[in-house]
Amino acid sequence: ETGVTQTPRHLVMGMTNKKSLKCEQHLGHNAMYWYKQSAKKPLELMFVYNFKEQTENNSVPSRFSPECPNSSHLFLHLHTLQPEDSALYLCASSQDTSVNTGELFFGEGSRLTVL
Amino acid sequence: GQNIDQPTEMTATEGAIVQINCTYQTSGFNGLFWYQQHAGEAPTFLSYNVLDGLEEKGRFSSFLSRSKGYSYLLLKELQMKDSASYLCAVRDPTGGGADGLTFGKGTHLIIQP
Repeated sequence: ETGVTQTPRHLVMGMTNKKSLKCEQHLGHNAMYWYKQSAKKPLELMFVYNFKEQTENNSVPSRFSPECPNSSHLFLHLHTLQPEDSALYLCASSQDTSVNTGELFFGEGSRLTVL
Repeated sequence: GQNIDQPTEMTATEGAIVQINCTYQTSGFNGLFWYQQHAGEAPTFLSYNVLDGLEEKGRFSSFLSRSKGYSYLLLKELQMKDSASYLCAVRDPTGGGADGLTFGKGTHLIIQP
């Protein structure tokens, strides 16, 4: 148990569907992240939120839409996805790096399959 | 640009020692992390280096040379449960984001009896 919870753990959707991934952290951290993990590729940083403000969008297609209503919750809204978007989507959180190492705490991930 | 290289796969024997190397080229540097990820599970933090030298934590040690853009993770007294992927990651403050890390592809470590 890392203190970061993701739901659903598995999701299968068609290319025309709209779905959302949810992440909740119970660690009191101020930064939250979305990463994509595909087979044989490094973890790819998608979005960063710091104190609820988006500070980075790593050239992610608009079919992925993040939402951060507060420092504890992060969503990834999905619509009109492509089969190549099938991957493990990992949420992570971290504390202010001015006071510690700023290590990331990851959730278990949401395994997404796009048909 | 950013580039982080580590071997794709390594095999070692239970009870032995293994060293996993990582080289990086990034625009900036503010720390190097090692994570362990078992199949189907979340990556978990192992170590952090920001200054040159060796950091030891139980059976695991991590070394950093900033001038060479090089790090290694040393695992001693290997156990079967150490079979996992080991991810090298760098924090680059010039990357534009908050504290998002850039990861290598990971090294899949197989421990044999």
